[in-house]
Amino acid sequence: AQSVTQLGSHVSVSEGALVLLRCNYSSSVPPYLFWYVQYPNQGLQLLLKYTTGATLVKGINGFEAEFKKSETSFHLTKPSAHMSDAAEYFCAVISPGTALIFGKGTTLSVSS
Amino acid sequence: EPEVTQTPSHQVTQMGQEVILRCVPISNHLYFYWYRQILGQKVEFLVSFYNNEISEKSEIFDDQFSVERPDGSNFTLKIRSTKLEDSAMYFCASSERRVAGAAGELFFGEGSRLTVL
Repeated sequence: AQSVTQLGSHVSVSEGALVLLRCNYSSSVPPYLFWYVQYPNQGLQLLLKYTTGATLVKGINGFEAEFKKSETSFHLTKPSAHMSDAAEYFCAVISPGTALIFGKGTTLSVSS
Repeated sequence: EPEVTQTPSHQVTQMGQEVILRCVPISNHLYFYWYRQILGQKVEFLVSFYNNEISEKSEIFDDQFSVERPDGSNFTLKIRSTKLEDSAMYFCASSERRVAGAAGELFFGEGSRLTVL
């Protein structure tokens, strides 16, 4: 069965600093991987996804993630944090024949 | 931009009462889902629904839960006799395609917060 582990329930960065949110997955078959973001009082919104092909995927708002099969990781990064990036971020995995499985989420705080 | 809408945004109920959470998926979507998130825990899959029947469900989705698409627009989650541990944020989602087969994107609503006293 597949699963997702997000390391760090809370990450704090300064405005302009690098954002790194960690996600490791477990799957017996090649997975599809997703990052969703939830802004306060809003629903979950897709940031980016990896299915096949290029392992570095770019998403909205300057975020990107790299699929590393050898490390079973799909970490989310952004070179320069903005105040508006403060939100909760969820990594998710899916394999054929299964439902979308989410991690516990990481709350990102951005300070000025 | 089309969106998934959920009502109510917050419901408080007494233990043992029935609750119905409502969702209006995006109009051309064919697959519908319910997820829940207990405070401080991960977002958990409950059930998926396609062609007027459940296509997949998790262990959480026991006999106390049911889903229905009573008309062409609404998708409902019913909890027959609520328990304290049902307190959570419930998210509805819809997609054009079955996510597993084609990695179709899930579009989520803003959630309905259920508090069981």
